[in-house]
Amino acid sequence: SQKIEQNSEALNIQEGKTATLTCNYTNYSPAYLQWYRQDPGRGPVFLLLIRENEKEKRKERLKVTFDTTLKQSLFHITASQPADSATYLCALVFAGGGNKLTFGTGTQLKVEL
Amino acid sequence: NAGVTQTPKFQVLKTGQSMTLQCAQDMNHEYMSWYRQDPGMGLRLIHYSVGAGITDQGEVPNGYNVSRSTTEDFPLRLLSAAPSQTSVYFCASSNPGELFFGEGSRLTVL
Repeated sequence: SQKIEQNSEALNIQEGKTATLTCNYTNYSPAYLQWYRQDPGRGPVFLLLIRENEKEKRKERLKVTFDTTLKQSLFHITASQPADSATYLCALVFAGGGNKLTFGTGTQLKVEL
Repeated sequence: NAGVTQTPKFQVLKTGQSMTLQCAQDMNHEYMSWYRQDPGMGLRLIHYSVGAGITDQGEVPNGYNVSRSTTEDFPLRLLSAAPSQTSVYFCASSNPGELFFGEGSRLTVL
């Protein structure tokens, strides 16, 4: 079965630095990969989508890379702010899986002043 | 637009009781799904639907039923609640690609 791994330990960084979160997957190749943000007590909110034939995607201070050889995606937040503190979830749709997203467990990011 | 609306937000049940979690979306999305979120387990897919009249099982369907009589609504039924079903439940819709989530329903089964 498909397995998605995200670092379960919280990531603490200083304001202004770049935060880098990792998503690794095993077995089947995904058709595309998404990143979501989740705040405590709220539902996840979509951030970015990257397809298997794309290496990099950017949106404002966010950047996602996708390496299908390493089976890894990196999620970067540049010039991080305390408001970026949240849990970030990686999710994949595997080829042949229709719209079904499989989620990682998420990584908590804390941006300190 | 309201997006995806879930009710109730909180519910406490006794073992063996039944209940329905309601989910409605106003974005005319064909795809809807239910996830449960547990500490350390992430979001796990329970059931999903690709359109009215069509439903299918996800990763953890046991103990749950769904139906999709309209595009807008996708209720999740617990026929006989068990403590293992204590969780936060999220409904989501998409058309296709990114998922739009509701705010969640926190269920406790005693």
